[in-house]
Amino acid sequence: DGGITQSPKYLFRKEGQNVTLSCEQNLNHDAMYWYRQDPGQGLRLIYYSQIVNDFQKGDIAEGYSVSREKKESFPLTVTSAQKNPTAFYLCASSIRGQTDTQYFGPGTRLTVL
Amino acid sequence: SQKIEQNSEALNIQEGKTATLTCNYTNYSPAYLQWYRQDPGRAPVFLLLIRENEKEKRKERLKVTFDTTLKQSLFHITASQPADSATYLCALGANFNKFYFGSGTKLNVKP
Repeated sequence: DGGITQSPKYLFRKEGQNVTLSCEQNLNHDAMYWYRQDPGQGLRLIYYSQIVNDFQKGDIAEGYSVSREKKESFPLTVTSAQKNPTAFYLCASSIRGQTDTQYFGPGTRLTVL
Repeated sequence: SQKIEQNSEALNIQEGKTATLTCNYTNYSPAYLQWYRQDPGRAPVFLLLIRENEKEKRKERLKVTFDTTLKQSLFHITASQPADSATYLCALGANFNKFYFGSGTKLNVKP
């Protein structure tokens, strides 16, 4: 089955620790995205990548880092510099650009204690 | 800065009626607009996309309009069903680094 997966579903970390969230897709999509969603809020774009080995900052990139070494994978690292990391993180992909349908992974709920 | 407004109050309607959700925006000229459905604790699911040169788009019981003069999109669900109960998000984009989601409107369809 084709799709986009994120792991783990729930993640707990101590304050001050870096943590990496996994995102993998087998849809052969070029573009991938990371969003953050806080309770009662819409999604905010953290980073996006249109092609392998290239990525761009979204609106709230501070305290986050990404890599795009393979077409299928777009991991997100939440660093200790991110002041309020507890949130629901969503990864998405699309064939080429944002005018294409975005397919979302199931999300990772990160709680920093 | 750009602003996207969706009614934060839940919309409660009776089964069989038409639900109409609103998405207003300011300080922005999007090239396209998308609507997504999100169930609690789940990821958004794409429903419809409409471009700036399109007035209306339909898909089964769904209809979206896009008025760039009023800076508004309306999302209609006809013959609504309890299974349509969810939060509906609008998202506006111009290009990759100018793509924004609204906070969503919760729809409750009562049997």
